[in-house]
Amino acid sequence: GAGVSQTPSNKVTEKGKYVELRCDPISGHTALYWYRQSLGQGPEFLIYFQGTGAADDSGLPNDRFFAVRPEGSVSTLKIQRTERGDSAVYLCASSLTFTRGVETQYFGPGTRLLVL
Amino acid sequence: ELKVEQNPLFLSMQEGKNYTIYCNYSTTSDRLYWYRQDPGKSLESLFVLLSNGAVKQEGRLMASLDTKARLSTLHITAAVHDLSATYFCAVRPYGGSQGNLIFGKGTKLSVKP
Repeated sequence: GAGVSQTPSNKVTEKGKYVELRCDPISGHTALYWYRQSLGQGPEFLIYFQGTGAADDSGLPNDRFFAVRPEGSVSTLKIQRTERGDSAVYLCASSLTFTRGVETQYFGPGTRLLVL
Repeated sequence: ELKVEQNPLFLSMQEGKNYTIYCNYSTTSDRLYWYRQDPGKSLESLFVLLSNGAVKQEGRLMASLDTKARLSTLHITAAVHDLSATYFCAVRPYGGSQGNLIFGKGTKLSVKP
């Protein structure tokens, strides 16, 4: 079956611009997660949705970052007034709420964002 | 603040050899994950370890967890080239939200003939 998909796969933008990154989770997965991975680092948690609501947004670095999941499926990560330091790979993952009590997260291929 | 440290960060080994990757974490956790990432690809879940003394094996990889020492190991037996990848451990802080995983920096493994 289809896995987690993310679009675009690559995004180049200029400093100060607005960008939207999209994530399509695995069908039926109620939980959705966003991470950011910088070169040579492990993924860094940004936000987690359970259904339509953000259950934990403690990882969002500042108020330029915002994410939505209006219908409980597709999610969009929005970054305003982009800065060069926002350049990274943005990973999306999804999971069932409980899989025998353990929620394995399935990751998408990521969106590579480059801010010039 | 929870910190997750992996070592080594880079590992070059010959086919057929054994080696262990270590993952230390700094505070109480109720589960630990191991992931694999191939270059330019996304993360693939390998193991989830839930309790002290848990051991899981898949092929040439075996993961274990010692919650008292706050240590997990990923042991590689008789390495083959196909195991070349970056391996991450990730920890969910005890009482943390389902999604708030803290990842290590990763161990880049290169298996040479």
